[in-house]
Amino acid sequence: DTGVSQNPRHKITKRGQNVTFRCDPISEHNRLYWYRQTLGQGPEFLTYFQNEAQLEKSRLLSDRFSAERPKGSFSTLEIQRTEQGDSAMYLCASSLETTNEKLFFGSGTQLSVL
Amino acid sequence: QQQVKQSPQSLIVQKGGISIINCAYENTAFDYFPWYQQFPGKGPALLIAIRPDVSEKKEGRFTISFNKSAKQFSLHIMDSQPGDSATYFCAASTAGGYQKVTFGIGTKLQVIP
Repeated sequence: DTGVSQNPRHKITKRGQNVTFRCDPISEHNRLYWYRQTLGQGPEFLTYFQNEAQLEKSRLLSDRFSAERPKGSFSTLEIQRTEQGDSAMYLCASSLETTNEKLFFGSGTQLSVL
Repeated sequence: QQQVKQSPQSLIVQKGGISIINCAYENTAFDYFPWYQQFPGKGPALLIAIRPDVSEKKEGRFTISFNKSAKQFSLHIMDSQPGDSATYFCAASTAGGYQKVTFGIGTKLQVIP
């Protein structure tokens, strides 16, 4: 499978716990994005990486959220001290710089905070 | 502030009929308008997209109509099939640079036999 891979697919956690999600983009894609989708809504932009550099963070990404892409390949999104409002689908997408507009999304990680 | 407004939120169409979903945008800096299709448990997948220099784009049974002066665009699905049942999102972004895409709220389409 050469698509965008996200793990885990589902995560249930208790309020106050930390969680980490992983995204493996399509191998040659140098651009990587995180989006968040709540029930009945469209995805919302969270952050963007060009190779290993994080170039933009949405104001939706509070201080409890941190994302990394250490070697310009896979990326992780960590949420510290989770809150019930963090419950959502976290989507990763990637693209090639040369075919910029064509985003390829993974199947997402569904987070439930109890 | 909802920068891309989408309607209807749900749509039921009979097999063989035409499905029409409408969107309107506010930010005139947007110059790339994709439509995404999302099945349950999956991420959105790019379906078709248009730039504002053309008024219509057709790919198979899917057509985007674009009205730049009205800041509106729509998706038409001809000969709708049960396999088209999914949630459809209109979206907008700027073509240059990275894709900070603004999505609409989504339309849940059900095509009944």
